[in-house]
Amino acid sequence: EVQLVQSGAEVKKPGESLKISCKGSGYTFTNFWIAWVRQTPGKGLEWMGFIYPGDSDARYSPSFQGQVTISADNSISTVYLQWNSLKASDTAMYYCARTKGAFDIWGQGTTVTASS
Amino acid sequence: EIVLTQSPGTLSLSPGERATLSCRASQTVSSDYLAWYQQKPGQAPRLLIYGASSRATGIPDRFSGSGSGTDFTLTISRLEPEDFAVYYCQQYGSSPRTFGQGTKVEIK
Repeated sequence: EVQLVQSGAEVKKPGESLKISCKGSGYTFTNFWIAWVRQTPGKGLEWMGFIYPGDSDARYSPSFQGQVTISADNSISTVYLQWNSLKASDTAMYYCARTKGAFDIWGQGTTVTASS
Repeated sequence: EIVLTQSPGTLSLSPGERATLSCRASQTVSSDYLAWYQQKPGQAPRLLIYGASSRATGIPDRFSGSGSGTDFTLTISRLEPEDFAVYYCQQYGSSPRTFGQGTKVEIK
């Protein structure tokens, strides 16, 4: 079965760092881009960026460029989304999704809460 | 950036009825790279339609997509109880990828 499994919910304080993960299985991990999507009640679904694990080529939405880092570890078929300094406004649900165009397989989501 | 505007915001229908959802783009969507997703409460979005009109694997044929250029439509021919959910369109023809704000299909 093709699936993406994300790491668990996180509660952090503003200013702290965070790295969440997305592990792929059931397919050739290096052959598909993996995207990160943020969902909030106010702004809906937002594409943050994606990475091609085959060569670690990462592309970012202008809205998220410089705010987060997307990386991959092919040895464990895992993609990461990282913040160096969380803001309260980063509180959201984050999804990873496999893509060669449309987003055909989604992870279950990771809730991130940044609150003092 | 391509802005996608979905209408209506909410559609109140009964099981068995036909649902017609609209997605309008602020610019031409390249190569009709337009997808539709369904999202139920507490779940991740699920791909229904890609390339404007191709059904994703395992999607029932009561779901159909049409349109090109800037105007796209998702049609659910006869609503089943499990179809009441929020539906999003997304363009993946240009960067940044963008989503519409969603249409909620609720039980009347």
